[in-house]
Formats: sequence, C-alpha cells, structure tokens
Amino acid sequence: GDSVTQMEGPVTLSEEAFLTINCTYTATGYPSLFWYVQYPGEGLQLLLKATKADDKGSNKGFEATYRKETTSFHLEKGSVQVSDSAVYFCALSPRGGGSQGNLIFGKGTKLSVKP
Amino acid sequence: ETGVTQTPRHLVMGMTNKKSLKCEQHLGHNAMYWYKQSAKKPLELMFVYSLEERVENNSVPSRFSPECPNSSHLFLHLHTLQPEDSALYLCASSQDTSGYKSEQYFGPGTRLTVT
Repeated sequence: GDSVTQMEGPVTLSEEAFLTINCTYTATGYPSLFWYVQYPGEGLQLLLKATKADDKGSNKGFEATYRKETTSFHLEKGSVQVSDSAVYFCALSPRGGGSQGNLIFGKGTKLSVKP
Repeated sequence: ETGVTQTPRHLVMGMTNKKSLKCEQHLGHNAMYWYKQSAKKPLELMFVYSLEERVENNSVPSRFSPECPNSSHLFLHLHTLQPEDSALYLCASSQDTSGYKSEQYFGPGTRLTVT
C-alpha cells in the first residue's frame, strides 16, 4: 500500500543553519504531496504542497520539490530560526481509487533550533 | 471563532466512563475527519465524513462512535476505553474529499488520558 518515510529525528540545529528533512514515498499513480507543521500544543498546519511532478511548493522560506524519479519530497530551508522549532510531517494523498480524502502521513520529524 | 475548534482540550477519563469530543469548523467545508496521534506513530485516520455521510471507517474499535449532525459539527463518543487509547485526537476539515486538491485544516486537538 501507499506509504511515506521520513527521516527520524530529532534534528537539532543552530539558528541560521541549513535544514533538510528527507521524505520518500511509495504510491501507485501520481499522488499529491504535502508538508505539515505542528507547533507545540497546536494542531497540524499545512506548510506547502505540490500536486504534480517537478512542482515546487514554497512557504515561509521552506521549499520542497516533487521528484517523481526518486519518489522524494525533501523539505529545505536556507536559514532556520528558533521559531521554526516544531514537528514536521510529510504526507501524500493518493489519486484515483483508494480512500477518499485520505492523507497518509510519515511519523514526523522533530526540529529543535538553538539560538 | 475561526478555523477548526475542538473541545475539550484536555480530558481524563476512567475506563468505565462515557465522554464525547466535539469539533466545529467555521470554514464552510463539506468534509470532516477524526485522527488519532500517538507518540512515535504516524497519524491514524479514524473516520471521514462527507456531507454528513460517513465515507471511511478505518477498522476503528466500536468503543469509538462518531456522529456528524451537520457539516459544521463532528463528535466522537467514547465509552469503555482502554489505557492504550490515550492519545491526541485531532479533528480536521476540507472543502471536499478529493484529497489531492483539498488540503485539510486541523484543530488543536484533545489530549485524552484514560486511567
């Protein structure tokens, strides 16, 4: 079945460091891909998305490119801030058949940014 | 109120109690979801409602009983729970259940502890 694998955390970085969180997926067809972020004590918020191959999603300095050839959707940010400390979830939504409205999530990667 | 709200934010209940979780969305969406978030596990989709009809039930034990009286409100009725049911329960909504076009908006969650 469809699945999402993302790098295990926690990830600890200093402020202004470069961030990469790896995400790979397994799916039939052409899923849509998402990154969600969960700040402490809050629900998940959509960070960015891409709906077809080679699309780049971007928001708040974060970027991710839909790579069909490597089935990947890695999250990157050039210079992290303390306020970026949160748990990041990669997710996919299957196209065609399968469950309606079903988002399949990775396990999440906790990011801690130190001043 | 804006977005998706959930009440209560925290709930402690014994295994013989009956309680209900409430979710309300103020976004005019047609689909609502219940997720379970446990430590070190991916988010688990429990139920999906579209236009007040249940369209997905991912083999959830019968001690969890959802109710969707209208497109803005979603309840999760709980009875005779087990300690392993302790988790963060997240509600989400989306415009529709097409998944790949319709991102989901999450509430802050209810932290449930079963004693």
